[in-house]
Amino acid sequence: EADIYQTPRYLVIGTGKKITLECSQTMGHDKMYWYQQDPGMELHLIHYSYGVNSTEKGDLSSESTVSRIRTEHFPLTLESARPSHTSQYLCASSDGTSGKNEQFFGPGTRLTVL
Amino acid sequence: KNQVEQSPQSLIILEGKNCTLQCNYTVSPFSNLRWYKQDTGRGPVSLTIMTFSENTKSNGRYTATLDADTKQSSLHITASQLSDSASYICVVSDRGSTLGRLYFGRGTQLTVWP
Repeated sequence: EADIYQTPRYLVIGTGKKITLECSQTMGHDKMYWYQQDPGMELHLIHYSYGVNSTEKGDLSSESTVSRIRTEHFPLTLESARPSHTSQYLCASSDGTSGKNEQFFGPGTRLTVL
Repeated sequence: KNQVEQSPQSLIILEGKNCTLQCNYTVSPFSNLRWYKQDTGRGPVSLTIMTFSENTKSNGRYTATLDADTKQSSLHITASQLSDSASYICVVSDRGSTLGRLYFGRGTQLTVWP
């Protein structure tokens, strides 16, 4: 099983709150990713990072922001949560050196905004 | 447009039976194709990964096939078990970017009944 962790696993909050979803990996991977997934739908890439101090927006527009100050840590922040942000958020990492770019996923955070 | 289509959307089978899941893709230039298993409320876990030159790969009771000419893949599950109940996601990677972008299907929801 991959060594990538996400906290919290479940979060229910009210509209307007600021939240941070945590993601950490102990594999020393340079590349990290955040995906958003709604029930029965495909994963959509919302943020990625090539390494420390590198962050890029993904295919799906998101009001969230990310930071990459340390290799192992890639938190995602929502400054003011809204009901439209209700979704599952999955973090992943890859070493990018194998040529196959195999991504390892965390267990996900299920976010509900009331 | 790069796309990954999976069928059927959902499938119910009895324990011990075999089943085959389908994946068609239009991703180009193609790098590799992988099948993931995603249990409810969990992150995806890789089952198999195949490059252009590989047309079959097995992982226990899971056997994936790839026809790069027709851009089709299948995942065959033999002697199904209750623990096989999950969503099976087909993911195709392109080699047109340093990120190794992944394109996700919506998954086939498999339910195995006793």
